[in-house]
Amino acid sequence: DTEVTQTPKHLVMGMTNKKSLKCEQHMGHRAMYWYKQKAKKPPELMFVYSYEKLSINESVPSRFSPECPNSSLLNLHLHALQPEDSALYLCASSQGENSNQPQHFGDGTRLSIL
Amino acid sequence: DAKTTQPNSMESNEEEPVHLPCNHSTISGTDYIHWYRQLPSQGPEYVIHGLTSNVNNRMASLAIAEDRKSSTLILHRATLRDAAVYYCILTSPSGAGSYQLTFGKGTKLSVIP
Repeated sequence: DTEVTQTPKHLVMGMTNKKSLKCEQHMGHRAMYWYKQKAKKPPELMFVYSYEKLSINESVPSRFSPECPNSSLLNLHLHALQPEDSALYLCASSQGENSNQPQHFGDGTRLSIL
Repeated sequence: DAKTTQPNSMESNEEEPVHLPCNHSTISGTDYIHWYRQLPSQGPEYVIHGLTSNVNNRMASLAIAEDRKSSTLILHRATLRDAAVYYCILTSPSGAGSYQLTFGKGTKLSVIP
């Protein structure tokens, strides 16, 4: 069991659908992250939220829209995705910018685009 | 971000020690050395990290070279559950209230019963 909870675990959607991925942590962490992981590849950073504000966007297409409603929750809104967006989407959190502390990952949402 | 170099794959016999190497010749003075592992169908899991001194925890040991240009993750007795991809990552603060993990390809560890 991880301390970062992601829902749903699996999601299948069509290219015209709108869906959202959710991530929750109750460790009091102030930094939260979205990563994308394609099959047999390492995770790649998409977005970083620090103190509920978007601090890093790694040139992610606008069909991915992150949201941080409060310090415990992180959402990723999906719209008009392409088949190449099929991947494992991972959420992580850390105490903040102190790289002497680890990032804690959820087990991800496996997304399939039809 | 400073880069790391790891072997693509390694094998170990069950209950034997495993030494996973990592080269990071361009490491800066403020970079921490982090190790994560990812088991099949799971998210990455933190293993250990260090700055200059060797570190031990319940999962593993981290040996850091004196010049900090390389490090070795040591699993003292490999179990089948240790079969995973192990990532060696250098981190430093981004200055924006967070820090980035830049994953390389990692080392895929296979444990033979």
